[in-house]
This record gives sequence, C-alpha cells and structure tokens, in this order.
Amino acid sequence: LAKTTQPISMDSYEGQEVNITCSHNNIATNDYITWYQQFPSQGPRFIIQGYKTKVTNEVASLFIPADRKSSTLSLPRVSLSDTAVYYCLVGDASRRALTFGSGTRLQVQP
Amino acid sequence: GAGVSQTPSNKVTEKGKYVELRCDPISGHTALYWYRQSLGQGPEFLIYFQGTGAADDSGLPNDRFFAVRPEGSVSTLKIQRTERGDSAVYLCASSLPGGVHEQFFGPGTRLTVL
Repeated sequence: LAKTTQPISMDSYEGQEVNITCSHNNIATNDYITWYQQFPSQGPRFIIQGYKTKVTNEVASLFIPADRKSSTLSLPRVSLSDTAVYYCLVGDASRRALTFGSGTRLQVQP
Repeated sequence: GAGVSQTPSNKVTEKGKYVELRCDPISGHTALYWYRQSLGQGPEFLIYFQGTGAADDSGLPNDRFFAVRPEGSVSTLKIQRTERGDSAVYLCASSLPGGVHEQFFGPGTRLTVL
C-alpha cells in the first residue's frame, strides 16, 4: 500500500484559498488518489478523486502532477464550516478497504 | 434520501461484556464496511461485505470481533469479552458495488468500555 504524508495541521482565514499537499512517493500504476473530509462526531465524507492531471467538482479541485508522487487538494474561499480533518488516501479499486492516515486538521478562523 | 444509520449512537459497557453494534446501509448499496476510529487517528478498516458474505475480514483485530450481514442489508458488529482497548468510534459505510473508493459513512457508534 502506498504510504501518504500530509501536514498535521493548517490554519487559514475565511475567504482564503487553502491548498493541502499530500505526498505518496511509492504510488502504484493502478492507484487512485482520493480525499475525504471529516467533521467532529461525523463519519468521513468523500470530497474528490483523481488519477492524473486536474479534477474539479463543486467542492474542491485536485491537482496531480505528471509523476503522481504528490497531490494537492485546493479549497477555494474557505468558510468557518470548512474546519475539519482532511484525509488523503491512495489505493487501487481492487482493494475496497480504505486506508486512512492521521489527516490534516484545517482550522478556519474568521 | 436516507444515509447510513448506526445504532446505538453511544454504548457504555463493562470490561468482559458482549456488545452488538448495528448498521443500516443506504438502500441499494450492496457493499458494506466497518471501520474503527480511535481518538486523533484516522479510521481503521475492520471488515468488508459484498452482499451477505464477508469479502475481506483482514482488519478484524482478533477472534473476539465478528460481523454478520445475513440478508445483505443490515449488518451487526459483535464484540465478545470487551476490553478497555476496544473503546473507540465504530463507523459503518456503504457503497455501490462498482465505483472507486466513494464510500458513504454513518455517524458512528461511540463505544466506551469501563
């Protein structure tokens, strides 16, 4: 399984763009990159998934360079409600079990 | 529509007792997963069902833990002879049979073993 490394915590202010980078140096050819968000006392929630280049949805963008050894989750114009833990996961579709690390605790301040 | 539901939301028990935790997946989701989350850590995989059968139980920590899904819908996680180290939030998730890694999680059951 590809190991992921991401910052333990980040601080931001409302209205700013937040970029959380995850490194996964030993990512395999069949691996996808997935990000989940978790609020206190709730289960994780799927945010976005990608394989290469850029993926964008209504919540976030995911940037993946050509070598795929890292990825960056971009949250545009964060609000207080974006305060949560963000997990970067790497794995292939044949293994359905998700492997979470410790995640990045994002604190958004007014 | 309704999401994944778990009952009870909180469970306090004494060391050595038996507990059952229930998960109701999203209707139509044939895949169901159990995870365990300790304070400050990410969720840890326990077991995955595809339909009624356990397709992957490699995450169960020992034989005190067992899960069933007899009709391919509701699942029950059973823990025998609970230990204080079993205290955690137990999360259930469900997904469609296809797709890659988009799982829908319930709110979890917080288990406290005294």
